[in-house]
Amino acid sequence: DAGVIQSPRHEVTEMGQEVTLRCKPISGHNSLFWYRQTMMRGLELLIYFNNNVPIDDSGMPEDRFSAKMPNASFSTLKIQPSEPRDSAVYFCASGRSGGTDTQYFGPGTRLTVL
Amino acid sequence: GDSVTQMEGPVTLSEEAFLTINCTYTATGYPSLFWYVQYPGEGLQLLLKATKADDKGSNKGFEATYRKETTSFHLEKGSVQVSDSAVYFCALIEGYSTLTFGKGTMLLVSP
Repeated sequence: DAGVIQSPRHEVTEMGQEVTLRCKPISGHNSLFWYRQTMMRGLELLIYFNNNVPIDDSGMPEDRFSAKMPNASFSTLKIQPSEPRDSAVYFCASGRSGGTDTQYFGPGTRLTVL
Repeated sequence: GDSVTQMEGPVTLSEEAFLTINCTYTATGYPSLFWYVQYPGEGLQLLLKATKADDKGSNKGFEATYRKETTSFHLEKGSVQVSDSAVYFCALIEGYSTLTFGKGTMLLVSP
């Protein structure tokens, strides 16, 4: 079975540009999570969805960040406008049972904002 | 709120040495406990888990026992290999919350 798929794997952009990260969860999973990982702050939960509905977005750093899940097989995380401090690895994860069980992580998108 | 505390790294060992990475947690009820591993350049992978007190999770030679009396879930391996070099994350989930991760412990194994 395919795992969680993220694209792109690497993204380099200039400050002020819009960035869109994409995620395809594992088929049959009803929860989807977006995380950000940096050396300074470690692993941070940004937002999670259950049955395509955003449940908790308290980890989204500011209004420049937005996430959508239009259907069960696709989610996006958008940053507009991007800033150098947004440089990080962004992970998507999916799971069953409303997130109360194991989460399966994608390979991540390494974002560099110049 | 729930929290997870891991020993700070890096932990540096020689091949075939015994490994312990300490993890303690704070929770109001009866969480499920997890160890995830992150190899360089990759996402996190579930290594093992335990869902109730005294359960032992095991995988790839790693073990951890859910100790409710000491609120701990220490990770152990009897003989580490160079290929075990990675960052290890302890985590818990309770009720209908999301995973709470520790800060991670880097393990470096030299030949």
